[in-house]
Amino acid sequence: QSVLTQPPSMSGTPGQRVTISCSGSSFNIGNNYVYWYQQLPGTAPKLLMYRNNQRPSGVPDRFSGSKSGTSASLAISGLRSEDEADYFCAAWDDSVSGQYVFGSGTKVTVL
Amino acid sequence: QLQLEESGPGLVKPSETLSLTCSVSGDSINTKNYYWGWIRQPPGGGLEWIGNVYYSGSTYYKPSLKSRVTMSIDTSKNQFSLKVRSVTAADTAVYFCARDQRGYSDSADATVFDYWGRGTLVTVAS
Repeated sequence: QSVLTQPPSMSGTPGQRVTISCSGSSFNIGNNYVYWYQQLPGTAPKLLMYRNNQRPSGVPDRFSGSKSGTSASLAISGLRSEDEADYFCAAWDDSVSGQYVFGSGTKVTVL
Repeated sequence: QLQLEESGPGLVKPSETLSLTCSVSGDSINTKNYYWGWIRQPPGGGLEWIGNVYYSGSTYYKPSLKSRVTMSIDTSKNQFSLKVRSVTAADTAVYFCARDQRGYSDSADATVFDYWGRGTLVTVAS
């Protein structure tokens, strides 16, 4: 069971806005940065967002990240067919001896 | 362009040791600027961080795996490695190696994986 909770699936039509939530605690999201990864089918994860809301070079500005308290979210505006993928949030967790934890993952389907 | 590639046996018997190597090209791993990590993903499942290794050989692991995991680094070969002892079917997964942008002086919450290998499937079965 993941420390960070995400909805298993979400869907939208092309052009819509989809927002994926990631819920944690004060041990992780509440006091640490949040990261987002995109995993296209059959490929390795790709870094999509770092330090809550920073986009790496090459990531379209259709993707945006935010954090409030112990929750974070990733928004995809102007949804496109190539956005169909699994999305994982991640953060450092200070409980126990400290570890990097991933969310349970959200499958985004473009209808 | 930095590239990482995992290699190792695709099939390991229960109770034996899983051994994987990550070969890095495009840059030297003998740098203070990054850690190097392993992440795994069971079939149809989510991602699980296993641990990180620094160029100096310093390591830190996921607490629940710490008793069975060893990571090492060979800067002369530009490679780093993972060993998981006493494997069971629950260790069946695609294993990814990745670069962690976190430098030694950064706080732990700066951990972020920006370059990944393609992954290699390891199946634990007799």
